Amino acid sequence: DSGVTQTPKHLITATGQRVTLRCSPRSGDLSVYWYQQSLDQGLQFLIQYYNGEERAKGNILERFSAQQFPDLHSELNLSSLELGDSALYFCASSAAYSGNTIYFGEGSWLTVV
Amino acid sequence: DAKTTQPPSMDCAEGRAANLPCNHSTISGNEYVYWYRQIHSQGPQYIIHGLKNNETNEMASLIITEDRKSSTLILPHATLRDTAVYYCIVRLQGAQKLVFGQGTRLTINP
Repeated sequence: DSGVTQTPKHLITATGQRVTLRCSPRSGDLSVYWYQQSLDQGLQFLIQYYNGEERAKGNILERFSAQQFPDLHSELNLSSLELGDSALYFCASSAAYSGNTIYFGEGSWLTVV
Repeated sequence: DAKTTQPPSMDCAEGRAANLPCNHSTISGNEYVYWYRQIHSQGPQYIIHGLKNNETNEMASLIITEDRKSSTLILPHATLRDTAVYYCIVRLQGAQKLVFGQGTRLTINP
Protein backbone atom coordinates (compact mmCIF):
# COMPACT_ATOMS: atom_id res chain seq x y z
CA ASP A 1 0.00 0.00 0.00
CA SER A 2 1.62 3.22 -1.22
CA GLY A 3 -0.59 5.47 0.90
CA VAL A 4 -2.01 7.23 -2.17
CA THR A 5 -5.77 6.78 -2.37
CA GLN A 6 -7.83 7.11 -5.53
CA THR A 7 -11.57 7.01 -6.06
CA PRO A 8 -13.51 5.67 -7.78
CA LYS A 9 -11.69 2.46 -8.71
CA HIS A 10 -13.91 1.82 -11.69
CA LEU A 11 -16.16 4.13 -13.66
CA ILE A 12 -18.28 3.58 -16.75
CA THR A 13 -19.78 6.57 -18.49
CA ALA A 14 -21.12 7.62 -21.85
CA THR A 15 -19.49 9.74 -24.52
CA GLY A 16 -19.96 13.44 -24.01
CA GLN A 17 -20.22 13.14 -20.25
CA ARG A 18 -18.00 14.62 -17.56
CA VAL A 19 -16.35 12.76 -14.68
CA THR A 20 -14.21 13.68 -11.70
CA LEU A 21 -11.45 11.47 -10.35
CA ARG A 22 -10.26 12.04 -6.83
CA CYS A 23 -6.88 11.53 -5.22
CA SER A 24 -5.62 11.77 -1.66
CA PRO A 25 -1.83 11.91 -1.49
CA ARG A 26 0.31 10.21 1.11
CA SER A 27 0.26 11.94 4.44
CA GLY A 28 2.61 14.92 4.34
CA ASP A 29 3.18 14.86 0.58
CA LEU A 30 2.74 18.22 -1.11
CA SER A 31 3.10 17.21 -4.76
CA VAL A 32 0.43 15.39 -6.72
CA TYR A 33 0.87 14.00 -10.22
CA TRP A 34 -1.64 12.62 -12.68
CA TYR A 35 -0.81 9.99 -15.29
CA GLN A 36 -2.88 8.31 -17.98
CA GLN A 37 -2.29 4.76 -19.16
CA SER A 38 -4.05 3.51 -22.24
CA LEU A 39 -3.33 0.29 -24.09
CA ASP A 40 -1.52 1.91 -26.98
CA GLN A 41 0.18 4.84 -25.23
CA GLY A 42 1.76 3.50 -22.09
CA LEU A 43 2.10 5.69 -19.01
CA GLN A 44 1.77 9.35 -19.97
CA PHE A 45 2.34 12.25 -17.60
CA LEU A 46 -0.56 14.68 -17.52
CA ILE A 47 0.01 17.31 -14.87
CA GLN A 48 1.64 18.07 -11.52
CA TYR A 49 0.47 20.23 -8.65
CA TYR A 50 2.54 21.34 -5.71
CA ASN A 51 0.91 22.78 -2.63
CA GLY A 52 -2.10 23.92 -4.60
CA GLU A 53 -0.33 25.36 -7.63
CA GLU A 54 0.18 23.87 -11.05
CA ARG A 55 3.88 23.13 -11.55
CA ALA A 56 4.27 21.04 -14.67
CA LYS A 57 2.10 20.13 -17.58
CA GLY A 58 2.41 17.18 -19.90
CA ASN A 59 0.18 15.78 -22.59
CA ILE A 60 -3.06 16.89 -21.00
CA LEU A 61 -5.96 17.61 -23.31
CA GLU A 62 -7.82 20.91 -23.05
CA ARG A 63 -10.94 18.93 -22.14
CA PHE A 64 -9.14 17.78 -19.00
CA SER A 65 -8.38 19.91 -15.99
CA ALA A 66 -7.08 19.35 -12.49
CA GLN A 67 -6.79 21.14 -9.22
CA GLN A 68 -5.29 20.61 -5.80
CA PHE A 69 -7.22 21.79 -2.78
CA PRO A 70 -5.97 23.32 0.50
CA ASP A 71 -6.17 19.92 2.20
CA LEU A 72 -3.84 18.72 -0.61
CA HIS A 73 -6.25 16.27 -2.20
CA SER A 74 -6.54 16.59 -5.94
CA GLU A 75 -9.21 16.12 -8.56
CA LEU A 76 -8.89 15.40 -12.25
CA ASN A 77 -11.87 16.54 -14.29
CA LEU A 78 -12.47 14.94 -17.65
CA SER A 79 -15.17 16.47 -19.84
CA SER A 80 -16.75 15.89 -23.25
CA LEU A 81 -15.55 12.34 -22.94
CA GLU A 82 -14.64 10.34 -26.02
CA LEU A 83 -14.16 6.62 -26.49
CA GLY A 84 -10.41 7.19 -26.68
CA ASP A 85 -10.36 8.57 -23.16
CA SER A 86 -10.94 5.09 -21.82
CA ALA A 87 -7.84 4.39 -19.76
CA LEU A 88 -6.36 3.89 -16.34
CA TYR A 89 -5.73 7.18 -14.58
CA PHE A 90 -3.09 7.15 -11.88
CA CYS A 91 -2.46 9.68 -9.21
CA ALA A 92 0.93 9.84 -7.55
CA SER A 93 2.45 11.93 -4.82
CA SER A 94 5.82 12.97 -3.48
CA ALA A 95 7.02 14.92 -0.52
CA ALA A 96 8.37 17.96 -2.28
CA TYR A 97 8.32 19.93 -5.48
CA SER A 98 10.95 17.85 -7.22
CA GLY A 99 13.52 15.12 -6.77
CA ASN A 100 11.77 12.98 -4.19
CA THR A 101 10.57 9.47 -4.80
CA ILE A 102 7.12 9.39 -6.36
CA TYR A 103 4.53 6.92 -5.08
CA PHE A 104 1.54 5.84 -7.14
CA GLY A 105 -2.01 5.00 -6.24
CA GLU A 106 -3.90 2.00 -7.58
CA GLY A 107 -5.62 3.94 -10.30
CA SER A 108 -9.10 4.74 -11.52
CA TRP A 109 -10.25 2.67 -14.45
CA LEU A 110 -12.41 4.77 -16.77
CA THR A 111 -14.46 3.17 -19.51
CA VAL A 112 -16.28 5.44 -21.96
CA VAL A 113 -19.05 3.75 -23.91
CA ASP B 1 16.15 13.02 -19.21
CA ALA B 2 18.41 10.43 -20.79
CA LYS B 3 16.84 7.69 -22.85
CA THR B 4 16.83 4.10 -21.59
CA THR B 5 16.80 0.83 -23.49
CA GLN B 6 15.37 -2.35 -21.99
CA PRO B 7 14.61 -5.75 -23.50
CA PRO B 8 10.87 -6.02 -24.15
CA SER B 9 10.53 -9.31 -22.33
CA MET B 10 12.40 -11.79 -20.14
CA ASP B 11 11.69 -15.08 -18.43
CA CYS B 12 13.07 -16.39 -15.16
CA ALA B 13 12.50 -19.55 -13.15
CA GLU B 14 10.93 -19.24 -9.75
CA GLY B 15 13.52 -19.18 -6.98
CA ARG B 16 16.30 -18.00 -9.27
CA ALA B 17 17.75 -14.53 -9.43
CA ALA B 18 16.16 -12.29 -12.04
CA ASN B 19 18.61 -9.88 -13.62
CA LEU B 20 17.01 -7.07 -15.59
CA PRO B 21 19.37 -4.97 -17.72
CA CYS B 22 19.00 -1.34 -18.70
CA ASN B 23 21.14 0.73 -21.00
CA HIS B 24 21.37 4.48 -20.48
CA SER B 25 24.47 5.45 -22.43
CA THR B 26 23.67 9.18 -22.51
CA ILE B 27 23.16 9.54 -18.77
CA SER B 28 24.66 12.64 -17.23
CA GLY B 29 26.37 13.01 -13.90
CA ASN B 30 23.37 14.38 -12.07
CA GLU B 31 20.83 11.86 -13.33
CA TYR B 32 19.57 9.08 -11.12
CA VAL B 33 18.50 5.60 -12.21
CA TYR B 34 15.08 4.64 -10.88
CA TRP B 35 13.31 1.31 -11.12
CA TYR B 36 9.56 0.84 -10.85
CA ARG B 37 7.39 -2.14 -11.60
CA GLN B 38 3.76 -2.51 -12.54
CA ILE B 39 1.90 -5.69 -11.72
CA HIS B 40 -1.00 -6.19 -14.11
CA SER B 41 -2.74 -2.79 -14.24
CA GLN B 42 -1.94 -1.94 -10.63
CA GLY B 43 -0.21 1.33 -9.83
CA PRO B 44 3.52 1.49 -10.57
CA GLN B 45 5.47 0.43 -7.52
CA TYR B 46 8.76 2.05 -6.57
CA ILE B 47 11.58 -0.46 -6.22
CA ILE B 48 14.92 1.28 -5.86
CA HIS B 49 17.06 4.10 -7.19
CA GLY B 50 20.72 5.06 -7.29
CA LEU B 51 23.20 7.57 -8.61
CA LYS B 52 26.53 5.77 -8.96
CA ASN B 53 26.93 3.37 -6.07
CA ASN B 54 25.27 0.00 -5.93
CA GLU B 55 22.14 0.00 -3.82
CA THR B 56 20.23 -2.72 -2.00
CA ASN B 57 16.93 -2.74 -0.18
CA GLU B 58 14.42 -5.34 0.92
CA MET B 59 13.06 -5.69 -2.60
CA ALA B 60 16.07 -5.69 -4.88
CA SER B 61 19.63 -4.72 -5.65
CA LEU B 62 20.71 -2.15 -8.19
CA ILE B 63 24.09 -2.51 -9.84
CA ILE B 64 25.31 0.50 -11.81
CA THR B 65 28.40 0.13 -13.98
CA GLU B 66 31.37 2.33 -13.24
CA ASP B 67 30.82 4.41 -16.38
CA ARG B 68 27.10 4.64 -15.43
CA LYS B 69 26.05 3.75 -18.96
CA SER B 70 24.11 0.70 -17.87
CA SER B 71 22.58 -0.86 -14.83
CA THR B 72 21.05 -4.14 -13.68
CA LEU B 73 18.16 -4.67 -11.32
CA ILE B 74 18.49 -7.93 -9.42
CA LEU B 75 15.59 -9.70 -7.75
CA PRO B 76 17.53 -12.27 -5.72
CA HIS B 77 14.92 -15.00 -5.35
CA ALA B 78 12.14 -14.40 -7.83
CA THR B 79 8.62 -15.53 -6.99
CA LEU B 80 5.52 -15.77 -9.14
CA ARG B 81 4.37 -12.48 -7.63
CA ASP B 82 7.35 -10.74 -9.23
CA THR B 83 5.78 -11.19 -12.66
CA ALA B 84 5.34 -7.60 -13.83
CA VAL B 85 6.52 -4.92 -16.23
CA TYR B 86 9.73 -3.37 -14.93
CA TYR B 87 10.59 0.19 -15.85
CA CYS B 88 14.08 1.65 -15.79
CA ILE B 89 13.90 5.44 -15.67
CA VAL B 90 16.66 8.02 -15.74
CA ARG B 91 15.67 11.11 -13.83
CA LEU B 92 17.51 14.36 -13.49
CA GLN B 93 18.35 15.33 -9.91
CA GLY B 94 15.67 17.72 -8.84
CA ALA B 95 13.39 16.76 -11.71
CA GLN B 96 9.68 16.70 -11.23
CA LYS B 97 7.93 14.01 -13.21
CA LEU B 98 8.95 10.47 -14.14
CA VAL B 99 9.03 9.60 -17.82
CA PHE B 100 8.13 5.98 -18.46
CA GLY B 101 9.28 3.94 -21.43
CA GLN B 102 7.96 0.56 -22.50
CA GLY B 103 9.77 -1.43 -19.81
CA THR B 104 10.59 -5.13 -19.64
CA ARG B 105 7.83 -7.65 -19.16
CA LEU B 106 9.29 -10.17 -16.71
CA THR B 107 7.58 -13.52 -16.42
CA ILE B 108 8.48 -15.79 -13.54
CA ASN B 109 7.83 -19.42 -14.42
CA PRO B 110 7.09 -22.15 -11.87
